[in-house]
Amino acid sequence: DIQMTQSPSSLSASVGDRVTITCRASQSISSFLNWFQQKPGKAPQLLIYAASSFQSGVPSRFSGSGSGTDFTLTISSLQPEDFATYYCQQSYSTPPTFGGGTKVEIK
Amino acid sequence: QVQLQESGPGLVKPSETLSLTCTVSGGSISTYNWNWIRQPPGKGLEWIGKIFYSGSTNLSPSLKSRVTISVDTSKNQFSLKLSSVTAADTAVYYCARDTGRWSPFDYWGQGTLVTVSS
Repeated sequence: DIQMTQSPSSLSASVGDRVTITCRASQSISSFLNWFQQKPGKAPQLLIYAASSFQSGVPSRFSGSGSGTDFTLTISSLQPEDFATYYCQQSYSTPPTFGGGTKVEIK
Repeated sequence: QVQLQESGPGLVKPSETLSLTCTVSGGSISTYNWNWIRQPPGKGLEWIGKIFYSGSTNLSPSLKSRVTISVDTSKNQFSLKLSSVTAADTAVYYCARDTGRWSPFDYWGQGTLVTVSS
């Protein structure tokens, strides 16, 4: 199985801050990397797929980059509704695997 | 707009079989692929397996011996059975769609909590 490692596991930030979350794969996954946002009690929602493509309806303050083994999710200006847990997931090989999550909390 | 809805018992006894159904609306289940994913309380996400539009399945190696996924196209539903459950199987169970190889999970059900306890 491909292991996905996210960092940090949690962070505190203020509204308006720029936030960066990283995800590293244990082997190359090309650009088959997806990012999800999960709020408490809710299902994960797809934000970014194929490393840098926006899912419909996702605000432009979210962006993704990377290829191979190293990937980044950036929130350019954190908004109150962005406080949540973020997961990366590789869809390069079976079984699909998720990172451990990054919880973004209010500072 | 595609919608998915999980249903099934919220409490299962140890050693018994967990059974869940996902009902798909807003689109045909005979197109695309359908997945089960779970999340233990306070923990991360684990993929359980999928059923392809062709009816074949792909299952997580760690759960393969206990998992069955099937589809009922007449009802636009697919189902999960997980046998010999233990407390470690307590989780929120989600169903989700993907549109093909390498594709992300783009639509999810709201999730259903299944607790394994006597």
